[in-house]
Amino acid sequence: RKEVEQDPGPFNVPEGATVAFNCTYSNSASQSFFWYRQDCRKEPKLLMSVYSSGNEDGRFTAQLNRASQYISLLIRDSKLSDSATYLCAVTGGFKTIFGAGTRLFVKA
Amino acid sequence: NAGVTQTPKFRILKIGQSMTLQCAQDMNHNYMYWYRQDPGMGLKLIYYSVGAGITDKGEVPNGYNVSRSTTEDFPLRLELAAPSQTSVYFCATSGQGYNSPLHFGNGTRLTVT
Repeated sequence: RKEVEQDPGPFNVPEGATVAFNCTYSNSASQSFFWYRQDCRKEPKLLMSVYSSGNEDGRFTAQLNRASQYISLLIRDSKLSDSATYLCAVTGGFKTIFGAGTRLFVKA
Repeated sequence: NAGVTQTPKFRILKIGQSMTLQCAQDMNHNYMYWYRQDPGMGLKLIYYSVGAGITDKGEVPNGYNVSRSTTEDFPLRLELAAPSQTSVYFCATSGQGYNSPLHFGNGTRLTVT
């Protein structure tokens, strides 16, 4: 089993749609959780950290469920500019492990 | 403030050649990482360092070596390049280890033919 697994993509959604990504992790001792955004042929950039209480940043909401070992990302009112690959990342000890990423295409 | 600087941006190697991918940071971060990303795949951790003089293996260390003689620099050495090492290589840093997100360089695109 992979340490971090994400929903297979791609997700194709119209502008204005709400889309949710899930990510599961296998190491119950994992300590920190993040979502990164990666544009084509660019480096990943932090989208948001994920906290146990859940957190929101504008149209983006992240949730963590430690008991079930998954994290989620909800994007509301999708914009064309949201088209990218979304990577979940899980940190344990000094290592951060990434999922394979989920591609999102938002179309007009 | 440059952040994390990787050189070169692109490189083509022949099978069996060696090269060093450079990574330099000016953020005074202790933690540095090397990842590789194959097309359509996530990032795989090659090596990491928690401070000068300390390095450790990640998920896919075979065929690579690293050193960390200073806080600022974390070069990745490829010995005897193989086609399987064709990938995009990202260097990253974090300020406080597991509590902090990663800051990535722009990447080095390596092709081994």
